[in-house]
Amino acid sequence: SQQGEEDPQALSIQEGENATMNCSYKTSINNLQWYRQNSGRGLVHLILIRSNEREKHSGRLRVTLDTSKKSSSLLITASRAADTASYFCATDAENQGGKLIFGQGTELSVKP
Amino acid sequence: NAGVTQTPKFQVLKTGQSMTLQCAQDMNHEYMSWYRQDPGMGLRLIHYSVGAGITDQGEVPNGYNVSRSTTEDFPLRLLSAAPSQTSVYFCASSAGTGIIYEQYFGPGTRLTVT
Repeated sequence: SQQGEEDPQALSIQEGENATMNCSYKTSINNLQWYRQNSGRGLVHLILIRSNEREKHSGRLRVTLDTSKKSSSLLITASRAADTASYFCATDAENQGGKLIFGQGTELSVKP
Repeated sequence: NAGVTQTPKFQVLKTGQSMTLQCAQDMNHEYMSWYRQDPGMGLRLIHYSVGAGITDQGEVPNGYNVSRSTTEDFPLRLLSAAPSQTSVYFCASSAGTGIIYEQYFGPGTRLTVT
């Protein structure tokens, strides 16, 4: 079964609003990563947060990690129509010898 | 740098046929992986490699073979194609092996098995 589960599966907001996506996972991790996929394209890496970090920022992105709850959230502030895409979390689990396992993703639609 | 390249972009196979999806990277990355993406299923790891000569199974390895004779190339072979293998296949590479860092993805191969 997949390591990461994302919530919500789909999210529709207006431009300028904030978008929050959540990811839960099952086992201890080395790091957790977020990726973005535009329709019909490959995935693009957004941000990586290590297991000993609690929060990380990159531009309009803010990622939090709560290892006690085995969960992470991705916040996109002041969203734009160009942020419309699918967003995936992926976990590098400890002692797995190199498997990056993806969640099912959140489909974000930002309406102008 | 071209990054991660995949060929072909599209392929239609008949049930029982075999084929090889090609993947190459020019970033000297040790770690390479193959995923398949089906609607509503996210990406599922098929096989991965932490260096030339070393491969291992992911979540859904059945029906697929891989080899890694060079650092640059990581081909995925479908032995006897089945309709259940209709999917979009992505290859990715990453620096580092014990811990996986940022993965760079190829553009994907859209495979249809009839």
